Parts: sequence; C-alpha cells; structure tokens
Amino acid sequence: GAVVSQHPSRVICKSGTSVKIECRSLDFQATTMFWYRQFPKKSLMLMATSNEGSKATYEQGVEKDKFLINHASLTLSTLTVTSAHPEDSSFYICSARTSRDETQYFGPGTRLLVL
Amino acid sequence: AQSVTQPDIHITVSEGASLELRCNYSYGATPYLFWYVQSPGQGLQLLLKYFSGDTLVQGIKGFEAEFKRSQSSFNLRKPSVHWSDAAEYFCAVVPPSGYSTLTFGKGTMLLVSP
Repeated sequence: GAVVSQHPSRVICKSGTSVKIECRSLDFQATTMFWYRQFPKKSLMLMATSNEGSKATYEQGVEKDKFLINHASLTLSTLTVTSAHPEDSSFYICSARTSRDETQYFGPGTRLLVL
Repeated sequence: AQSVTQPDIHITVSEGASLELRCNYSYGATPYLFWYVQSPGQGLQLLLKYFSGDTLVQGIKGFEAEFKRSQSSFNLRKPSVHWSDAAEYFCAVVPPSGYSTLTFGKGTMLLVSP
C-alpha cells in the first residue's frame, strides 16, 4: 500500500515551453501533497504544499507564477513549470500524506531537462 | 527552529558488515521520526518511522532504528549490509502537534565495498 506515482519519469523540453508533471496516490487518498526539488548530491528542497481543493502554499523564494500547482482531487496533484528555462532543469519529487498520520510517501521523481 | 543532523556525509561498509547511520534532532518536544532511502535517480522509500511506544523500531529490508530521548537520536542500523543497500539515506522529522512539513537531514551516502 501507500504507492505514489509520477508521470512522466523524465522529460526534455525547449526553453520557453511549459511542462506538466502529475503526481498520483494510487491506493490511498492524499489530503495533502508536497512538491520538492532536488539538486545533484543535495537533500530535498520543499517547493510547495498543496491541500485538495485549495490554493498551494509556496515556500519562500519559489515563484508561484512559474511553478503552478493544482490539487484537484484527493489522488492527483500537478506541477506545471511555465516558460521553462535551463536553470529549471532538476529532479522534481512529489509526496503524498494521508489524513491518518504524518507519514509522507514519495513518488519516483521526474527528471526535467530544459534545453 | 527544528533541525536534523546527519553527521556522516559518506560511510563505506564492507558487504556483510554491520551498519549504523547516525541522526540527531533538535526540537523542543519529541517529534515524529523517519528514515528514508533513495537510490540514484529514484524517489524516496520509507524504511521505518517512530511516533511513540517501543523505542526500537523495525523497518523494511532488515533495517531497525532506536529512538533515544536522552540523546535526541534516532540511529539506523542493519546487522549485515548487502551490496544493494548502497544508496543515500535521509533522516527526517516532523513536529507531533498538527500537520506540518518534514525537516530532512542532509543525507548520508552509503557505499558498500566487496
């Protein structure tokens, strides 16, 4: 149980285009989902927290207009990187938390490369 | 502010040897404690967690961790390491009062030598 999927697993796009990443909780309902960014050989950096049906809460320094988050249902959250630039290239990981306890379950990550 | 310290950036262990990865936290109350493992290019997998009760927690893949309140520690152990255990290990905490975000340590890279 507690499986989280992400799609796509890797994506290459041209500078200036937008990319959408999906995060799904497959066998549980996630009242809260989180989006992280991870740089090489670094720990995870929390970008934003999203609760189903409400606006996401962004961490300081994260541009909300650039990283659009939608948490439309209890099993799906999406992260859209708008007008992507090479500096947005990174590994993006989502996690989902149930209403039962504080445990976060992580997706397999999405490798984004912006050319 | 709460913090998590993993003092070892890298650890090399021979296959078959025992392993202990250290984790110390700084927080007023006892937080909820987690260990995650990340293989290269992958997401994080939950190894084990501690909320309350028995201070020795068993996890998946033969891992265990012991919560020591007096030392503010939650060290991860495995009696016999396998080559497939080579990965990055993250300790994380969250305060027990209400939902909040995880605070991660910087991670410990485990290398397993033949």
